[in-house]
Amino acid sequence: KAGVTQTPRYLIKTRGQQVTLSCSPISGHRSVSWYQQTPGQGLQFLFEYFSETQRNKGNFPGRFSGRQFSNSRSEMNVSTLELGDSALYLCASSLGQPSYNEQFFGPGTRLTVL
Amino acid sequence: SQQGEEDPQALSIQEGENATMNCSYKTSINNLQWYRQNSGRGLVHLILIRSNEREKHSGRLRVTLDTSKKSSSLLITASRAADTASYFCATVVGGGADGLTFGKGTHLIIQP
Repeated sequence: KAGVTQTPRYLIKTRGQQVTLSCSPISGHRSVSWYQQTPGQGLQFLFEYFSETQRNKGNFPGRFSGRQFSNSRSEMNVSTLELGDSALYLCASSLGQPSYNEQFFGPGTRLTVL
Repeated sequence: SQQGEEDPQALSIQEGENATMNCSYKTSINNLQWYRQNSGRGLVHLILIRSNEREKHSGRLRVTLDTSKKSSSLLITASRAADTASYFCATVVGGGADGLTFGKGTHLIIQP
């Protein structure tokens, strides 16, 4: 079975732009979660989706949004980019409810905001 | 704020030795999970231990959980160079509305 894939792997943007990151979960997994990892704040929870519905959301501003499609693929969008948005964005999928089951992480998308 | 805090922040040992990392957390949990990350890449799930469990094993890994002390430990026996990575504990509180709450991690270096 193919693992979780994330595209693109690397991205460079400038302040004020917007960006869309994509995540394809493991086949059969209906739950997708997103995390941001920075040296200063560590790993922080962004959102969780299940069957196209956002079930939980972390403490991030409204500039961060996401969605999940009927095939379980997910995208996250960051609008009006700030320098502090530079981070590794990780997507994870799980077979069942993510908090109670093993989560499988993708390799991440490294976003650099200049 | 971080729910889990790993200790030590960094650990360097010789290949073949055992490595022990600790995790302390603040509030009651549903379960605690350990993950490994190599060089800023994706995380790999190691073990999930539920709040009503005290110990779990997986290959060379042993995890303990002491809910009275709000702490967990990860033991890697007979370490190998390939074990060099950052190790994170992650907790789930209540129904998981906050997702996984990660600590800052322990950076483990295995010297050949």
